[in-house]
Amino acid sequence: DAKTTQPNSMESNEEEPVHLPCNHSTISGTDYIHWYRQLPSQGPEYVIHGLTSNVNNRMASLAIAEDRKSSTLILHRATLRDAAVYYCILRDRAGNNRKLIWGLGTSLAVNP
Amino acid sequence: EPEVTQTPSHQVTQMGQEVILRCVPISNHLYFYWYRQILGQKVEFLVSFYNNEISEKSEIFDDQFSVERPDGSNFTLKIRSTKLEDSAMYFCARGTGIGANVLTFGAGSRLTVL
Repeated sequence: DAKTTQPNSMESNEEEPVHLPCNHSTISGTDYIHWYRQLPSQGPEYVIHGLTSNVNNRMASLAIAEDRKSSTLILHRATLRDAAVYYCILRDRAGNNRKLIWGLGTSLAVNP
Repeated sequence: EPEVTQTPSHQVTQMGQEVILRCVPISNHLYFYWYRQILGQKVEFLVSFYNNEISEKSEIFDDQFSVERPDGSNFTLKIRSTKLEDSAMYFCARGTGIGANVLTFGAGSRLTVL
């Protein structure tokens, strides 16, 4: 399974943008880039995913490098509720292998 | 879409006892998953279930584990004889969106084995 590398932790101030990086240099052409987050004492929550083009949704934006070997999750205005562990995961779009392989993620602290 | 509901939220059991964890994801979904997370560790894949059959399982999912969809709506994970190391949060998830490419997780069931 292709692996991802994320910083262990990051810190932000409330209402400021946050850029969470992820390296995935061994990504294959059929891998989607998924981001999930896990708030304290809760189940994981889907944030966003993309393949090649940048993506936007109500929660965040995903900027994907042209060579797809890295990506950045962008929270445009961090809130206290965004304090969570953020996971960058590669998921093969082909075949029946749909499981997610989780790393340790980035623990985001948001200061008031 | 409605959320994934898991019961019980917390179960305490003695080592060697059988445990059944339940998940109600909605009957018209095809892809379901169980994951677990030992306190302070990574989320680990256990098993995926597609069209009422196991499609993939991890090394963790040994003969002590089984999954069923007994009535077309509930989705259960059974641990036949619990061990201390089975203590963890167990998350059920269903596949949603185009191609069931996105997972929607439940809040989890915390299992404590004494």
